[in-house]
Amino acid sequence: KNQVEQSPQSLIILEGKNCTLQCNYTVSPFSNLRWYKQDTGRGPVSLTIMTFSENTKSNGRYTATLDADTKQSSLHITASQLSDSASYICVVTPRSNDYKLSFGAGTTVTVRA
Amino acid sequence: DVKVTQSSRYLVKRTGEKVFLECVQDMDHENMFWYRQDPGLGLRLIYFSYDVKMKEKGDIPEGYSVSREKKERFSLILESASTNQTSMYLCASSLPRAPYTGELFFGEGSRLTVL
Repeated sequence: KNQVEQSPQSLIILEGKNCTLQCNYTVSPFSNLRWYKQDTGRGPVSLTIMTFSENTKSNGRYTATLDADTKQSSLHITASQLSDSASYICVVTPRSNDYKLSFGAGTTVTVRA
Repeated sequence: DVKVTQSSRYLVKRTGEKVFLECVQDMDHENMFWYRQDPGLGLRLIYFSYDVKMKEKGDIPEGYSVSREKKERFSLILESASTNQTSMYLCASSLPRAPYTGELFFGEGSRLTVL
């Protein structure tokens, strides 16, 4: 069973609207949790990083939150743009082995004009 | 900026062929990784290397081997390609020291089709 589950699998939103992506994980203990953005046909790029002691981190219109008690993270996209169309991947680094990261399957976001 | 370059974006090979996927990074990173990415699945680790000539198996090493003769270069080898190895292959590099642990810098990917 995957240790990182993301929902929804995909979503479509209108340009200018907000959306929230969810990540539930069972990796414990962990060093950090990252959100990556992967454009179609490209490699993933890191958006945010949070250590286990952080609750929120922003990067422009992207805001990630972390609740270590419930083992949940979310990524909120504000005022979406067409360029936000991509797959968003939640990745958890286990404290026991920082070479073997746990990846979610990703949420595909499509922003329509 | 870190640049990770994968030699081939698209490859089409026949079953049984030997396949080489090359990856070069220009930021002197100690760690390098090979993942495969399939629809509906998270990235899965094939092999990684934390130093020249060092290699460790990931979660799905069967049917693959790797080579790291120089710090900047990490090669993935499919000794005898099979159709179930049709996938997107992603190379990544990273620094080993906190707080950088876990931040991967990815290449553009190599989409391999085995017929």
